[in-house]
Amino acid sequence: DAKTTQPTSMDCAEGRAANLPCNHSTISGNEYVYWYRQIHSQGPQYIIHGLKNNETNEMASLIITEDRKSSTLILPHATLRDTAVYYCIVRVANSGNTPLVFGKGTRLSVIA
Amino acid sequence: EAGVAQSPRYKIIEKRQSVAFWCNPISGHATLYWYQQILGQGPKLLIQFQNNGVVDDSQLPKDRFSAERLKGVDSTLKIQPAKLEDSAVYLCASSSRLAGGPGDTQYFGPGTRLTVL
Repeated sequence: DAKTTQPTSMDCAEGRAANLPCNHSTISGNEYVYWYRQIHSQGPQYIIHGLKNNETNEMASLIITEDRKSSTLILPHATLRDTAVYYCIVRVANSGNTPLVFGKGTRLSVIA
Repeated sequence: EAGVAQSPRYKIIEKRQSVAFWCNPISGHATLYWYQQILGQGPKLLIQFQNNGVVDDSQLPKDRFSAERLKGVDSTLKIQPAKLEDSAVYLCASSSRLAGGPGDTQYFGPGTRLTVL
C-alpha cells in the first residue's frame, strides 16, 4: 500500500504557482520522497526527488518539512500542459532498483 | 535518447482470449518493470526483471499472466485467458542501475490500453 496521503484534486490558475501537498508521516530515515506525474494517455514521468533538503530542478521545487512527515511540490508558473495526476511516493534509497508504489495521486487542473 | 517503446497501443479482445504486449526498454537499462493501471488508480507493479532474471513477481496472477525477458532486453507480457477485470493500461518501465545512488529514475512507456469484452 502507498505510504502517502494526497488531496484527490486541485485547481490552479495558469501562470500561478501550483503547490501540491503530500503527507508521509510514517516515512523512514532511509526513504526518499519522489514525485511523478501522469499526463492523460501517457506513462508516468519523473519530476523530482529528495531526502531532507529542499530540491529544485528545471521542472519543479520540492520542499520537505524538517520532521520529514510532509512535503510540497511546487510548480512555479503552471501552464495548461501541467494538467496531470501528480503522485507522491516514498521509496527506500540505495536499495537497487525497487518498484514504485503509487497511490491515487492528486489530479491537478490548470485553468486558463 | 529513445524512450521506452510499447506495442500495441490499444487492444480489444473478448474474455477467455489471449493477448500479448511487447516492451523495448531504453538501451542499456538493466531493470524492466511491468505495471497494471486500472482506471482511476495508480499503477501497480506486476513483475520486475533485472537483466533476464525475475526479481519480484509476487503481484503477478500466475494462473493467467506470464512474462519473459529473453536476452535481457525486450520483454513480453501475456494474459491467457483474459478476464473482464484485466481491462487496464499495461505500462512498461525501465531503469539503469546506479550503484550507491539513491535508487534510480524509472522511465515509462506510453502503455497499452487493454479492453476485455
